[in-house]
Amino acid sequence: AQKITQTQPGMFVQEKEAVTLDCTYDTSDPSYGLFWYKQPSSGEMIFLIYQGSYDQQNATEGRYSLNFQKARKSANLVISASQLGDSAMYFCAMREGLTADSGGGADGLTFGKGTHLIIQP
Amino acid sequence: KAGVTQTPRYLIKTRGQQVTLSCSPISGHRSVSWYQQTPGQGLQFLFEYFSETQRNKGNFPGRFSGRQFSNSRSEMNVSTLELGDSALYLCASSLEGHRLIGSEKLFFGSGTQLSVL
Repeated sequence: AQKITQTQPGMFVQEKEAVTLDCTYDTSDPSYGLFWYKQPSSGEMIFLIYQGSYDQQNATEGRYSLNFQKARKSANLVISASQLGDSAMYFCAMREGLTADSGGGADGLTFGKGTHLIIQP
Repeated sequence: KAGVTQTPRYLIKTRGQQVTLSCSPISGHRSVSWYQQTPGQGLQFLFEYFSETQRNKGNFPGRFSGRQFSNSRSEMNVSTLELGDSALYLCASSLEGHRLIGSEKLFFGSGTQLSVL
């Protein structure tokens, strides 16, 4: 079973509209982190926002917010007031096995297949 | 603060050759991890280094190896290249290599695009 599922391969959105990119995840770990990255055509993966499994409030970073619904294992990215420069691939990712104590190796990120977002003028 | 720097940006090799990719992490970051991105398999974790030690490894053959130097810079090597190794190789750095909540955010470089002919 896939650990990260992004059900929208592509999306077209009008400039200035809000966008919601879907992400569901699967883990039995109580401690995990969820990430969203943006990858423009240049290839660089740009960190957007992070949500820890124990965070009480939904994360926000400027125009980005994460709609975290733990019981549904859902971590949707919301982009408010979309801009032409938001056109890119968007990846949801998860890192499991996080703890409050240091020690041990860090697991790699597990990524979804991505959503190709195109903002139209 | 400078971001994660990867060199070279593009590389063309032929089957059977070997290749070495370089990554300089963000200043102060001690953990470096590598990812492979292909159209078919998406983004996959290769390995992670912390304090010159490999801490974790993904499901890749032994032809893929890496190392980390005392200044946290890292290199990955692929020996006996195959056509299927053509991919974008991304390096990411983070403050610590532990599973410590709050220190696990990864920041990526622009990648090295490897083409195997």
